[in-house]
Amino acid sequence: SQKIEQNSEALNIQEGKTATLTCNYTNYSPAYLQWYRQDPGRGPVFLLLIRENEKEKRKERLKVTFDTTLKQSLFHITASQPADSATYLCALVLSNDYKLSFGAGTTVTVRA
Amino acid sequence: GAGVSQSPRYKVAKRGQDVALRCDPISGHVSLFWYQQALGQGPEFLTYFQNEAQLDKSGLPSDRFFAERPEGSVSTLKIQRTQQEDSAVYLCASSPGEGYGEQFFGPGTRLTVL
Repeated sequence: SQKIEQNSEALNIQEGKTATLTCNYTNYSPAYLQWYRQDPGRGPVFLLLIRENEKEKRKERLKVTFDTTLKQSLFHITASQPADSATYLCALVLSNDYKLSFGAGTTVTVRA
Repeated sequence: GAGVSQSPRYKVAKRGQDVALRCDPISGHVSLFWYQQALGQGPEFLTYFQNEAQLDKSGLPSDRFFAERPEGSVSTLKIQRTQQEDSAVYLCASSPGEGYGEQFFGPGTRLTVL
């Protein structure tokens, strides 16, 4: 069956450190992968999109990698800040499709 | 400009009641999606509209769920004869093109069925 798994444990890190989140998938061949941030009581907010033929994408303090051989994406938040505390969701999209298939999310808490 | 809005933000229904949840997407957005999010889980796809056409309703859990977007803008998700397992947050998202790329989410409607 198809599965998308994110870090099972919540991540607690010190301000200024790098947070690394994993997204592993099985029985999918995604055309691209997206990362979203979700705060309590709010809808997800888009952060980054990476295509199957791209290895890495960056946006400000965020970096995403995509390894289709390992079937894994890594999401990094560098120089983390308390304002980065949220749940981060990865979502896959298949070729010729449009709907997002989400993982369960990883909750990140950045301590000042 | 205004983002995606949803109403009501909270809805409490007694088991067996019908409910209607509204989504106002970003003006001009072609694609509209509905997702269901259980506590501690990621959103799960329910249905997809491209303008007024419902192109995919494969995620609707039962025939008690019905969605429409008659004029290609506002959408309504209706749940008939609500059950306790329908309790969740219902998220609406829109995107400017034909489904590809970033989706803009509303704040969601939290439905509690007693």
